[in-house]
Amino acid sequence: NAGVTQTPKFRVLKTGQSMTLLCAQDMNHEYMYWYRQDPGMGLRLIHYSVGEGTTAKGEVPDGYNVSRLKKQNFLLGLESAAPSQTSVYFCASSSRSEQYFGPGTRLTVT
Amino acid sequence: AQSVAQPEDQVNVAEGNPLTVKCTYSVSGNPYLFWYVQYPNRGLQFLLKYITGDNLVKGSYGFEAEFNKSQTSFHLKKPSALVSDSALYFCAVRDKRGRDDKIIFGKGTRLHILP
Repeated sequence: NAGVTQTPKFRVLKTGQSMTLLCAQDMNHEYMYWYRQDPGMGLRLIHYSVGEGTTAKGEVPDGYNVSRLKKQNFLLGLESAAPSQTSVYFCASSSRSEQYFGPGTRLTVT
Repeated sequence: AQSVAQPEDQVNVAEGNPLTVKCTYSVSGNPYLFWYVQYPNRGLQFLLKYITGDNLVKGSYGFEAEFNKSQTSFHLKKPSALVSDSALYFCAVRDKRGRDDKIIFGKGTRLHILP
């Protein structure tokens, strides 16, 4: 099993550009999550999904959109990137309690 | 609201000494607590969890955590630190309401094990 995978691993965007981060899991988990990690801030939840076709806002949803069209995939979109969105983004999935994390995507917005 | 606090940004321990990384919690209802570890340039890895029962929970890599209800604490411990234990450690609490199921993370404690 690959577990949780994220693509891409690194990306540099210019302000105003758009992009989509892809998260995939092969553990048949119902729940999926997108976090951002910034120095001194810990992990902050952006959006999450409790099942295929459902999404919900987390702690810091502004500037991001998500979709969960298939159970195994959870997409995070930035429609118009801003320098404040420079961060490391982590995806996670879970079935009951503990979450399993992907390796992260390092995004820089210039 | 469920929350956890990690009062130390950084902890330094000499190799071979016991280590403790502190966490306190604030919950409504029964606490469901976790510890995760993050090595450089990696995602978080699950170490252990407390649901109910024995107050001493054993986890991966020789770590254990002690649940203390009267002090609302869930400290991470290891009897003898290794240099390879140097990493960022997160305490977390489950926040489940109906079908919504989330984990709330602390800000993290950086553990340095000195050779």
